Amino acid sequence: AQTVTQSQPEMSVQEAETVTLSCTYDTSESNYYLFWYKQPPSRQMILVIRQEAYKQQNATENRFSVNFQKAAKSFSLKISDSQLGDTAMYFCAFMKHGKSGGGADGLTFGKGTHLIIQP
Amino acid sequence: DTGVSQNPRHKITKRGQNVTFRCDPISEHNRLYWYRQTLGQGPEFLTYFQNEAQLEKSRLLSDRFSAERPKGSFSTLEIQRTEQGDSAMYLCASSYASGGTRLINYGYTFGSGTRLTVV
Repeated sequence: AQTVTQSQPEMSVQEAETVTLSCTYDTSESNYYLFWYKQPPSRQMILVIRQEAYKQQNATENRFSVNFQKAAKSFSLKISDSQLGDTAMYFCAFMKHGKSGGGADGLTFGKGTHLIIQP
Repeated sequence: DTGVSQNPRHKITKRGQNVTFRCDPISEHNRLYWYRQTLGQGPEFLTYFQNEAQLEKSRLLSDRFSAERPKGSFSTLEIQRTEQGDSAMYLCASSYASGGTRLINYGYTFGSGTRLTVV
């Protein structure tokens, strides 16, 4: 079974600062996906960024980037030039690449990090 | 396409009653997933369908939980004889998994969830 650990229950930074959210995971799989999801208060879960384990290059999406260290089983999220709208719960998630093509066991989520962007 | 739709948004029920939730996925998506999220936790995978076939149901929390996806379109999640511990947010997600020589899951889109309160 996979486990995902987010060691920072809450983080608070000033607007425009850069913030890094930590995530580590444990798995015996070699082929998998990693995701960061954002869940604003009372709003739906939104995909922020995804990384395929076979790709060595770190994924980037505008102000969001990841530092994927496969050997260390680490997958941190960096948010540059943080904005008030970035305030939300952030979940790190793991998905095994199943025989039938992804998602065979669904996503395994961490407990989340509550990110607060201060004006 | 308006995304993944879940109904109702909120449900209050008395202990021992049965409840049913509905999820309408994105029409092009062939996979549909159900998750449960309790307060302060990340979502927990329950079950998933590819088209009308339920490919994983061992993670359903008990035999009181069941899910269907007739005709491979919308899905329903039923909880029989509800208990107070069933109070949670129930999330639905859909995705597209491509076949061929390389099966790739293009990532999930989540609905806004159904919040269940058992009194």
